[in-house]
Amino acid sequence: EVQLLESGGGLVQPGGSLRLSCVASGFNFNDYHMNWVRQAPGKGLEWVSAISGSGYGTYSADSVKGRFTISRDNSKNTLYLQMNTLRGEDTAVYYCAKEVGPGKSGFDSWGQGTLVTVSS
Amino acid sequence: SYELTQPPSVSVSPGQTARITCSGDALPKKYVYWYQQKSGQAPVLVIYDDSQRPSGIPERISGSSSGTMATLTISGAQVEDEADYYCYSTDNFGNRAFGGGTKLTVL
Repeated sequence: EVQLLESGGGLVQPGGSLRLSCVASGFNFNDYHMNWVRQAPGKGLEWVSAISGSGYGTYSADSVKGRFTISRDNSKNTLYLQMNTLRGEDTAVYYCAKEVGPGKSGFDSWGQGTLVTVSS
Repeated sequence: SYELTQPPSVSVSPGQTARITCSGDALPKKYVYWYQQKSGQAPVLVIYDDSQRPSGIPERISGSSSGTMATLTISGAQVEDEADYYCYSTDNFGNRAFGGGTKLTVL
């Protein structure tokens, strides 16, 4: 059974930094692209960032480009999101999501999410 | 960036057919994925590759795609199908996007 467990969320001041982690189990982690998706309170889903299985390919939404960095440690089956220069509009539940498979961009498994609140 | 457009809300009576649309310029060449999200829960994949149903998803939920529009159909909608539904796809430049979401009401 695929399991994704996020951690690292919390309250941070505007301009601050936070690192999210997602520990994966139940599948060959390094075979799959992984993503971060967020959802602001009462709003829809927003794709944030993606990373290839090897970690060499990364992709980010314009809204976070230059501020957020996605990475992974395949030896630890762990996905990361380093978030810098945080803004109020980054307040959201952040989900870790596994892609369906090679050449397919959709997600077939999601974590339960971790809440990030950016406020002074 | 890439945009996918969904209606904000759809309402049906129990037993009726609900149809939720998703439009996007790249859909003729890109697969659509559909997610169901109930209040306070993580999204769940209900349709992948336009029309494929993951194991455990009821047969009354189906998907189709033609041209620039994809459609999620729930035949014989039940109260338990009440949720927000999101489409997701990519464009020809690798941009990824969710639709704005559709609130399905069954009452």
